[in-house]
Amino acid sequence: AAGVIQSPRHLIKEKRETATLKCYPIPRHDTVYWYQQGPGQDPQFLISFYEKMQSDKGSIPDRFSAQQFSDYHSELNMSSLELGDSALYFCASSLNEETPAFFGQGTRLTVV
Amino acid sequence: EDQVTQSPEALRLQEGESSSLNCSYTVSGLRGLFWYRQDPGKGPEFLFTLYSAGEEKEKERLKATLTKKESFLHITAPKPEDSATYLCAVVDTGKLIFGQGTTLQVKP
Repeated sequence: AAGVIQSPRHLIKEKRETATLKCYPIPRHDTVYWYQQGPGQDPQFLISFYEKMQSDKGSIPDRFSAQQFSDYHSELNMSSLELGDSALYFCASSLNEETPAFFGQGTRLTVV
Repeated sequence: EDQVTQSPEALRLQEGESSSLNCSYTVSGLRGLFWYRQDPGKGPEFLFTLYSAGEEKEKERLKATLTKKESFLHITAPKPEDSATYLCAVVDTGKLIFGQGTTLQVKP
């Protein structure tokens, strides 16, 4: 069965650089979520989209932005990277917000 | 504000020693509670969905139950391969709110 695809799996950036993370949801899923997870922490909600429109926004820094495209894939853009942005970034998709969200394998971002 | 609290934070069991993980929640109208399993460095893997009090779901050695204030994940005769972090999450408008997770270690 198709799963959520995230790319890249690993990313190393220097401080003040920019990173773009991509997410390809499960086909026919019209809801996409982005989460950030630090070591030993639970996933922290960043932003979500429903039918290509922003649905909700969490504790996402102003340096971050995201969008969902016409083919439903989503991108998380992160600028002026800081050491504290190092984390696992997960994308998840669901049929709607009351059905289970399925997570990708994540992108491990390391800022040096 | 909706909140999810899991206990214990960590649990060590011997193989075959059954136990339960707790997930307490405060939401204004539960629209869904999900259990996930997460292995280190990997994405959360969906286990169960519960929607209403009294509902139960079962899969192999795991059984999830739901009341009006909490959910339990019962693990019967666990094996070392059940070692992982178990997360519960509730549906809120536009997002899932996660608990802090319970890290389970099952020793052979």
